[in-house]
Amino acid sequence: QVQLQESGPGLVRPSETLSLTCTVSGGSISSYYWSWIRQPPGKGLEWIGYIYYTGSSNYNPSLKSRITMSVDTSKNQFSLKLSSVTAADTAVYYCARVSGWYLHYWGQGTLVTVSS
Amino acid sequence: EIVLTQSPGTLSLSPGERATLSCRASQSVSSSNLAWYQQKPGQAPRVLIYGASTRATGIPDRFSGSGSGTDFSLTISRLEPEDFAVYYCQQYGTSPWTFGQGTKVEIK
Repeated sequence: QVQLQESGPGLVRPSETLSLTCTVSGGSISSYYWSWIRQPPGKGLEWIGYIYYTGSSNYNPSLKSRITMSVDTSKNQFSLKLSSVTAADTAVYYCARVSGWYLHYWGQGTLVTVSS
Repeated sequence: EIVLTQSPGTLSLSPGERATLSCRASQSVSSSNLAWYQQKPGQAPRVLIYGASTRATGIPDRFSGSGSGTDFSLTISRLEPEDFAVYYCQQYGTSPWTFGQGTKVEIK
């Protein structure tokens, strides 16, 4: 059974860069697309983007200028960097595996708070 | 981008009743690339339906999806206690992928 686990700082200062890693277990990161989704407290879901194991990616235009995603196949991990964060970036961040273009397996999520 | 509008915002029903949730798209969703997710408090969403009408592995057959183009629906034939949750539709046919705002199914 594929499992995903997000990790990273729970608190980020305004204007700094949010960095998260998703570790995949129970399967290889190869041959799949991997995605990030976020959910502000008490609100709905927002798709951030996806990356293929080869490194090709597709980002949400609303965040594109601030996002970098990467893949480390040797560690079975993929990562998200979001720069110049503000309080509006406070959210639970989920990683997920894409299957047939829908979001099949999800991590449990990690809350990132942007505050000084 | 494709805007998905879910209705109603909240559905108050009793166990055993039938629930019908709607998801309307601002433009046609290509190839019925629409999924439904269930989210319970403190948990990640889980996929119920993809391709508008295909149940994901392990999803009970009381859940069914239908629709095409701009109008989609999720039906829960007989609500079980564990079905009270928030449901989201999502389109993945056109980038950027977008979600509806959610429908909360609560116990009446």
